[in-house]
Amino acid sequence: EIVLTQSPGTLSLSPGERATLSCRASQSVSSTFLAWYQQKPGQAPRLLIYGASSRATGIPDRFSGSGSGTDFTLTISRLEPEDFAVYYCQLCGSSPFTFGQGTKLEIK
Amino acid sequence: QVQLVQSGAEVKKPGASVKVSCKASGYTFTSFYMHWVRQAPGQGLEWMGIINPGGGTTNYAQKFQSRVTMTRDTSTSTVHMELSSLSSEDTAVYYCARGWGTYYYFDFWGQGTLVTISS
Repeated sequence: EIVLTQSPGTLSLSPGERATLSCRASQSVSSTFLAWYQQKPGQAPRLLIYGASSRATGIPDRFSGSGSGTDFTLTISRLEPEDFAVYYCQLCGSSPFTFGQGTKLEIK
Repeated sequence: QVQLVQSGAEVKKPGASVKVSCKASGYTFTSFYMHWVRQAPGQGLEWMGIINPGGGTTNYAQKFQSRVTMTRDTSTSTVHMELSSLSSEDTAVYYCARGWGTYYYFDFWGQGTLVTISS
């Protein structure tokens, strides 16, 4: 089973700054299988990115995804106050649909 | 608009079973798979399994294989997830999420159902 490891565990930044979140797979995966989700306290997760780099419907273009093989990145170009949340990467496509452990993006 | 509306919070005793429902609307129910995911307090997301509402076939995470059952009712566009032999470690928010596209991305989510296990 492929394990996804996200780093850092917590990222402290200020509004307006750039955020870079990492997701590393324990073995090479197709980029088409990689998704990113945002979860705010008390809410269900929201799909941000699918296929490693495609934005889901309604997602602002300050969110971008990249990567291939074992290393994937979610970048938020200029942080807005509403972007402070927990972010999860995930493998889709087939069972098991593994999630990373999450990165908490907090206001500095 | 796509909506997934889940059943209400539950409190169960250890050893009991719980059944959580997820009613879908705003799309063709049988055309999209449905996932179940849970989240223990303060923890991350854990995938439990997937059901094809069209044919009723299921695929469960190995961890839950022996005690989870996912079913669907096409007449009411509802999927159900039943978890048996509950313990305190099953206290969590349980979500249903629609599986979209070739790779079943989780594009719409239910609001979550809190299941509390307490003696």
